[in-house]
Amino acid sequence: DTGVSQDPRHKITKRGQNVTFRCDPISEHNRLYWYRQTLGQGPEFLTYFQNEAQLEKSRLLSDRFSAERPKGSFSTLEIQRTEQGDSAMYLCASSAPRGDTQYFGPGTRLTVL
Amino acid sequence: RKEVEQDPGPFNVPEGATVAFNCTYSNSASQSFFWYRQDCRKEPKLLMSVYSSGNEDGRFTAQLNRASQYISLLIRDSKLSDSATYLCVVNIGGGKLIFGQGTELSVKP
Repeated sequence: DTGVSQDPRHKITKRGQNVTFRCDPISEHNRLYWYRQTLGQGPEFLTYFQNEAQLEKSRLLSDRFSAERPKGSFSTLEIQRTEQGDSAMYLCASSAPRGDTQYFGPGTRLTVL
Repeated sequence: RKEVEQDPGPFNVPEGATVAFNCTYSNSASQSFFWYRQDCRKEPKLLMSVYSSGNEDGRFTAQLNRASQYISLLIRDSKLSDSATYLCVVNIGGGKLIFGQGTELSVKP
């Protein structure tokens, strides 16, 4: 499968714990995006990278959230001191240079107890 | 006001029906437009891009009216397999996609 992959697919954690998610984009795609989706809503933009540079962050991305893409390939999204309101599906997408179609991974479903 | 607003759902239609979804967006500088389909507990998948000239892909027709900031999707001869949530999506620049809340479609036999 050469699509976008995400790991883990599901994560259950206790409030206050830290969690980290990984996204591997389609290999030739230089742009990588993170979104969050809660039940009954469309995905909401969190942040995006062009190669290793983080170009934009949403105000939804509080200081407990950090994203990295150190070598311009895979990306990680870390949430520190998780809260119940962080429970959501975290989606990663990638797009090709000069292309505006984004292809989504299967998502990581986070449940904070 | 939400940046992208869609018809509230759900839409329940019989097989073979024609169904239309409407969407409006608020950012007049929006650059590109899409319809994505999302099955239950799955990731969104691109259904089609939307162009000002209108475009068709089989049973699906999408229209864009930039002056009215309005996007539509028409599904003809609906199938059971069309049951999903349809997301209206706008690219406001830099690849940042803004999604509507989605409209759920249920096609019944």
